[in-house]
Amino acid sequence: AQSVTQLGSHVSVSEGALVLLRCNYSSSVPPYLFWYVQYPNQGLQLLLKYTTGATLVKGINGFEAEFKKSETSFHLTKPSAHMSDAAEYFCAVSDGNQGGKLIFGQGTELSVKP
Amino acid sequence: DAGVIQSPRHEVTEMGQEVTLRCKPISGHNSLFWYRQTMMRGLELLIYFNNNVPIDDSGMPEDRFSAKMPNASFSTLKIQPSEPRDSAVYFCASKQGQGAYEQYFGPGTRLTVT
Repeated sequence: AQSVTQLGSHVSVSEGALVLLRCNYSSSVPPYLFWYVQYPNQGLQLLLKYTTGATLVKGINGFEAEFKKSETSFHLTKPSAHMSDAAEYFCAVSDGNQGGKLIFGQGTELSVKP
Repeated sequence: DAGVIQSPRHEVTEMGQEVTLRCKPISGHNSLFWYRQTMMRGLELLIYFNNNVPIDDSGMPEDRFSAKMPNASFSTLKIQPSEPRDSAVYFCASKQGQGAYEQYFGPGTRLTVT
């Protein structure tokens, strides 16, 4: 079975500071990993994904994530936070076989202080 | 492309009434997913379809919930009878192909059962 753990249900940073949102996964097969963002009263939007190949993945809005197999991690980072980054972020894992079924973490709410 | 379309966007109903939520996936996508999001339980997969066939409905909470996909461009999620604990945001998502393609989410239906 697959699972995702997001460390910290709420993260607060100052504008211009580094953003680091942590995600650890469990999977018995090579995982496919995703980060989604949800702005208030909206659906989820894909930020980035890792399937195979380069372990450092770049996404939209300046975010990136690095797949570390040895640490079973897929942490999301952004060098400099912007007020518009305030949202909820979800990490998800798929084994790619069950029709692309995604298992989501509980989410991390990011607040950005001026 | 119009994206995944859900209707209604908001639904307020009384306990015991039947509720029907609707979803139109992105044209050409062959997988469709229904999720429920609450503060307590986060984002839960209820059921998903591949090529209009239900593949996994293990997330459907109980027999009061049912979902259909009569054709590639339409799906419904029905709750009968509804209860206050069904209050949540219900998302529909669609995906193309098998495996690790990303899911595209609709804007959600906010259901309130009084």
